[in-house]
Amino acid sequence: GAGVSQSPSNKVTEKGKDVELRCDPISGHTALYWYRQSLGQGLEFLIYFQGNSAPDKSGLPSDRFSAERTGGSVSTLTIQRTQQEDSAVYLCASSMTGGLGEQYFGPGTRLTVT
Amino acid sequence: KNEVEQSPQNLTAQEGEFITINCSYSVGISALHWLQQHPGGGIVSLFMLSSGKKKHGRLIATINIQEKHSSLHITASHPRDSAVYICAVWGMETSGSRLTFGEGTQLTVNP
Repeated sequence: GAGVSQSPSNKVTEKGKDVELRCDPISGHTALYWYRQSLGQGLEFLIYFQGNSAPDKSGLPSDRFSAERTGGSVSTLTIQRTQQEDSAVYLCASSMTGGLGEQYFGPGTRLTVT
Repeated sequence: KNEVEQSPQNLTAQEGEFITINCSYSVGISALHWLQQHPGGGIVSLFMLSSGKKKHGRLIATINIQEKHSSLHITASHPRDSAVYICAVWGMETSGSRLTFGEGTQLTVNP
């Protein structure tokens, strides 16, 4: 299958630890997005990568959150010093052409901070 | 007030009924997306609209740019249509590039 993949599918971590979440977009897609969905809440934009441009980080909730996209492909979302309120499903999506293109979502990573 | 509002929040229908879910937004947009999220959490993009109407199988999406309103219709609904339907807009006026999401409409279709 050539869909968006994310790993791990589930992550349980202790408060204060750092976590890394990985996203493999569809090959050839230039745009990559990270979203967060807290329990019972709607989707929340986190960060957007488009090609080689500087990412739009305006949705990141705090400076504990950072993301990289290496070689225009794989992306890693890092959360430092995790807090309980970081518990959520973190979703990655990619699209071929950016904002006006159809987005293909990964299955998500369910993060639980204890 | 949210930039994107959906109604109803919850909708229960009998199999075969015609379903309408509404989305209103308050900002100028470049595009509007309808997404479907199944109980397992997976999200599928149904439509991306910037004007007019699109149809895919039993699903129809319309948008009225002047009225800042979109509707998603499901004809001959089926229990497998049970899911959360999410409206999202790509704004022209917001800085950067982001989708702004509605809260979603939980649809349950009973057999």
